[in-house]
Amino acid sequence: AQKVTQAQTEISVVEKEDVTLDCVYETRDTTYYLFWYKQPPSGELVFLIRRNSFDEQNEISGRYSWNFQKSTSSFNFTITASQVVDSAVYFCALIEPPNYGGSQGNLIFGKGTKLSVKP
Amino acid sequence: DTGVSQDPRHKITKRGQNVTFRCDPISEHNRLYWYRQTLGQGPEFLTYFQNEAQLEKSRLLSDRFSAERPKGSFSTLEIQRTEQGDSAMYLCASSSTGTGGGNEQFFGPGTRLTVL
Repeated sequence: AQKVTQAQTEISVVEKEDVTLDCVYETRDTTYYLFWYKQPPSGELVFLIRRNSFDEQNEISGRYSWNFQKSTSSFNFTITASQVVDSAVYFCALIEPPNYGGSQGNLIFGKGTKLSVKP
Repeated sequence: DTGVSQDPRHKITKRGQNVTFRCDPISEHNRLYWYRQTLGQGPEFLTYFQNEAQLEKSRLLSDRFSAERPKGSFSTLEIQRTEQGDSAMYLCASSSTGTGGGNEQFFGPGTRLTVL
């Protein structure tokens, strides 16, 4: 069965601290996509990154970095030098695409991690 | 701006009433999704369209729910005989087809439904 687990419900840090958000996934196939979305207090989900299962290279975008490890089925997200504007709920999500026997491509979300960055 | 839009943003209704929500996807996207999000949870898939065809419905979508995308552009989600358990944020997302089926989905601001 497909499942995404974000074990950290809430994290609170002080500005400029580094923080890592954990994501562990379960999937029955070798072809899948992983995503991170940010949901600020305004409520709109903002796409951050997509990673396919064949690309295990870590990615860095400014203060954001992602660590994908197939061996442990994890796709962790690190914010370096956190800022107050990073305060939001962060969701990890999974797709098993239809071309590979999965569903029609709907996202399966974890329950999210609420990050609070205090000044 | 050509992002995903939803209308209304907020809806308060009494139990038993019908409500309808609208979603306008990004214009060049042929896939459209509806999700529901309750407090403290991640979004849960409801249904999915490719162009005007509704290709998949979740078991969460009871008979009181119906969705349409008549011309392959905007979509509507109707809930009949609303119940208090229907109170949630209803999110619409769209994506292009691309290859592999794993394209990123872009979300609208959501419609928050409160059933009294």
